[in-house]
Amino acid sequence: GDSVTQMEGPVTLSEEAFLTINCTYTATGYPSLFWYVQYPGEGLQLLLKATKADDKGSNKGFEATYRKETTSFHLEKGSVQVSDSAVYFCALSDWYNTDKLIFGTGTRLQVFP
Amino acid sequence: DTAVSQTPKYLVTQMGNDKSIKCEQNLGHDTMYWYKQDSKKFLKIMFSYNNKELIINETVPNRFSPKSPDKAHLNLHINSLELGDSAVYFCASSHTTSGGRDTQYFGPGTRLTVL
Repeated sequence: GDSVTQMEGPVTLSEEAFLTINCTYTATGYPSLFWYVQYPGEGLQLLLKATKADDKGSNKGFEATYRKETTSFHLEKGSVQVSDSAVYFCALSDWYNTDKLIFGTGTRLQVFP
Repeated sequence: DTAVSQTPKYLVTQMGNDKSIKCEQNLGHDTMYWYKQDSKKFLKIMFSYNNKELIINETVPNRFSPKSPDKAHLNLHINSLELGDSAVYFCASSHTTSGGRDTQYFGPGTRLTVL
């Protein structure tokens, strides 16, 4: 069945460092791909999404490109801030699978000043 | 105004009790979901409703019963609570279009603790 695999955390970085969080997926159909972020004690917020191959999603300095050839959707940011500390979830949604979101295990990011 | 709201935010109860969690969305969406987040932060779909009709029912014990009185509400009732039910429960909503492209908007979560 459909699945999402994310790199294990925590990822610990200094402020202004470059961030990459790897995400790969397996899907039967043609999924849409999402990154959600969960700040401490809060619910999930959509960070960015891409709905077809080669699309790039971007928001708040984060970006991710839908790579069908490598079945990947890696999250990147050029310069992280302390306020980016959160748990990041990669997810897919596939009409073939009733549109439910299938999440990766989440990656905790800790940014220190 | 909050787009997706849940009540209560925290719920502490004894094993064997019955409890309900309420969810409301004011986004005009026609599909609503319940997700469970365990202690390791893993998120998994439980149910989804489209226009008050059950669409997804994952492998969830039948002690869990969702109820959708209208498109804007999806409540979750849990009978005979067990220790393993302790988790954070998230409600979400979205439009329903083709291809699963629509963003799901999440509520703030309900932290359930079963003692």
